[in-house]
Amino acid sequence: EIVLTQSPATLSLSPGERATLSCRASQSVSSYLAWYQQKPGQAPRLLIYDTSNRATGIPARFSGSGSGTDFTLTISSLEPEDFAVYYCQQRSIWPPYTFGQGTKLEIK
Amino acid sequence: EVQLVESGGGLVQPGGSLRLSCAASGFTFSSYSMNWVRQAPGKGLEWVSYISSSSSRMNYADSVKGRFTISRDNAKNSLYLQMNSLRAEDSAVYYCVRGEYDSLFDYWGQGTPVTVSS
Repeated sequence: EIVLTQSPATLSLSPGERATLSCRASQSVSSYLAWYQQKPGQAPRLLIYDTSNRATGIPARFSGSGSGTDFTLTISSLEPEDFAVYYCQQRSIWPPYTFGQGTKLEIK
Repeated sequence: EVQLVESGGGLVQPGGSLRLSCAASGFTFSSYSMNWVRQAPGKGLEWVSYISSSSSRMNYADSVKGRFTISRDNAKNSLYLQMNSLRAEDSAVYYCVRGEYDSLFDYWGQGTPVTVSS
């Protein structure tokens, strides 16, 4: 089973700042890494798939990069609605599909 | 518009059973694989089960293997999860999730809560 480790667990930033979230895999997942955003009381929403492809309707301030075992989600300039929990997920080797434990992005 | 609406959650005693349903609309249900993903209170996401578009392949997380059964009815645009021998650790919100390219979770339902407690 591939283990995904996200860092940091919590990130405190202000609107307008740049956010950088990391996800490290226990073995290579090639480019098959996705990112999801979850707000309180809501279902997760797909943001980025296959490392760097934005899902439908996702603003350009969200971008993804990386390959193999190290991946990054970048939010170029934080909007108030971006404060949420972010999960990475791999679909390279399954079952099982695995998720990271999440990074909480909170307002500083 | 893609919609996934779960139902069937609730309170059940340990050792009991529950059947979750997911009604799909807004897309050709029979063309997509489907999944169940759960989230325990205050915890992260855990994939539970997968079923291919034609029901030819099913997969389960080790934590539910032998207790849960996934199924679908393409004529009714519906996905199901039969949960038996429920344990306290199965308590979670259960999400119905569409699988684009089999394994990309592109649309999620709003979730149905399951509580296993005496």
